[in-house]
Amino acid sequence: GNSVTQMEGPVTLSEEAFLTINCTYTATGYPSLFWYVQYPGEGLQLLLKATKADDKGSNKGFEATYRKETTSFHLEKGSVQVSDSAVYFCALSDRAAGNKLTFGGGTRVLVKP
Amino acid sequence: NAGVTQTPKFQVLKTGQSMTLQCAQDMNHNSMYWYRQDPGMGLRLIYYSASEGTTDKGEVPNGYNVSRLNKREFSLRLESAAPSQTSVYFCASSSTGETQYFGPGTRLLVL
Repeated sequence: GNSVTQMEGPVTLSEEAFLTINCTYTATGYPSLFWYVQYPGEGLQLLLKATKADDKGSNKGFEATYRKETTSFHLEKGSVQVSDSAVYFCALSDRAAGNKLTFGGGTRVLVKP
Repeated sequence: NAGVTQTPKFQVLKTGQSMTLQCAQDMNHNSMYWYRQDPGMGLRLIYYSASEGTTDKGEVPNGYNVSRLNKREFSLRLESAAPSQTSVYFCASSSTGETQYFGPGTRLLVL
């Protein structure tokens, strides 16, 4: 079956530091890959996505590249802000599985001023 | 444009009580989903509805039932609540089946 593994948190950073959150996946088909973000007390919001190998998703300074050879979709941001403090979820959507989302366990990021 | 709305925001139940969680979307999406979120486990799919009139089980359907009332509304029912159902419940919707849009969640505590 499909699965998503992401690094456990919490990840604590200082403002303007570089952020990387690792995500790897296992899928039987050809998935689309997503990063969702959850701010405190809120639902999940789509941060970025990539639908095929070598695609790069980007939004709000965050980037992730779909690497089929390493089955990875690592999230990066060059200079984080306090407002980036949130829980980040990696997920995949497999057309062969009816486009249902499979989520990783989430990574909590805390950015300190 | 409210997106996906959920009611209630918070609920406390006693073991054995029943309740229905309501979800509505105003984006004319065909597909709707119910998830539960537990610490360290991400989100797990309970039930989903690919289109009006259809529902299917997800990863963790036991103890739950759903109704796709119309294209806008998708409710989740707990017939006899158990402490193991203490969780945060999220409803989501999508048009293409890929990008899903989430509601703000319902926090449920079962004593």
